[in-house]
Amino acid sequence: DAGVIQSPRHEVTEMGQEVTLRCKPISGHNSLFWYRQTMMRGLELLIYFNNNVPIDDSGMPEDRFSAKMPNASFSTLKIQPSEPRDSAVYFCASRYTTNEKLFFGSGTQLSVL
Amino acid sequence: GENVEQHPSTLSVQEGDSAVIKCTYSDSASNYFPWYKQELGKGPQLIIDIRSNVGEKKDQRIAVTLNKTAKHFSLHITETQPEDSAVYFCAATTNQAGTALIFGKGTTLSVSS
Repeated sequence: DAGVIQSPRHEVTEMGQEVTLRCKPISGHNSLFWYRQTMMRGLELLIYFNNNVPIDDSGMPEDRFSAKMPNASFSTLKIQPSEPRDSAVYFCASRYTTNEKLFFGSGTQLSVL
Repeated sequence: GENVEQHPSTLSVQEGDSAVIKCTYSDSASNYFPWYKQELGKGPQLIIDIRSNVGEKKDQRIAVTLNKTAKHFSLHITETQPEDSAVYFCAATTNQAGTALIFGKGTTLSVSS
């Protein structure tokens, strides 16, 4: 199994640009999570999906952030427009709903200049 | 919702010494407590977990203890080695369908030889 796959690994963009982060969960996993990691706030839960349905998006910072899961093998996190304070490492993670073990991808390092 | 506090934020030990990291949680319904290790440039990886029906669990040099009454749990690493140097995160969840792991802010462990 290839594990959770995220792309791109690094993204550098200018303020105001749209950014799209992508995630492919482990095959068969039916829960998917987006976390953001910063030095100040640690690992923050942004949003998660069960069976492709968003369950809790209360962690999404503001309307500039949106996430979709069109099918069981793909999810996107979009920031539009991006701001320098969005700079962070964004992680995607997946698990079986009935199994607590959560598996993380390698993350996307986002820098907004 | 759940809130997880983790201490210390940084920990430096000599090779061969023991290291202890402590976490407290707020939701008495939480019943699953994993620990993750994050190496530089990588996503967090599960190293050990414990459920609320168990007080202690061991895996070679790593052990986790849980005190449900006091709502705290700890990670113990014995005979530390330089490769144990990393950021360690504790987390908690209720393990009900539709719930997510909530993480502590992390402990940076440095093991010097």
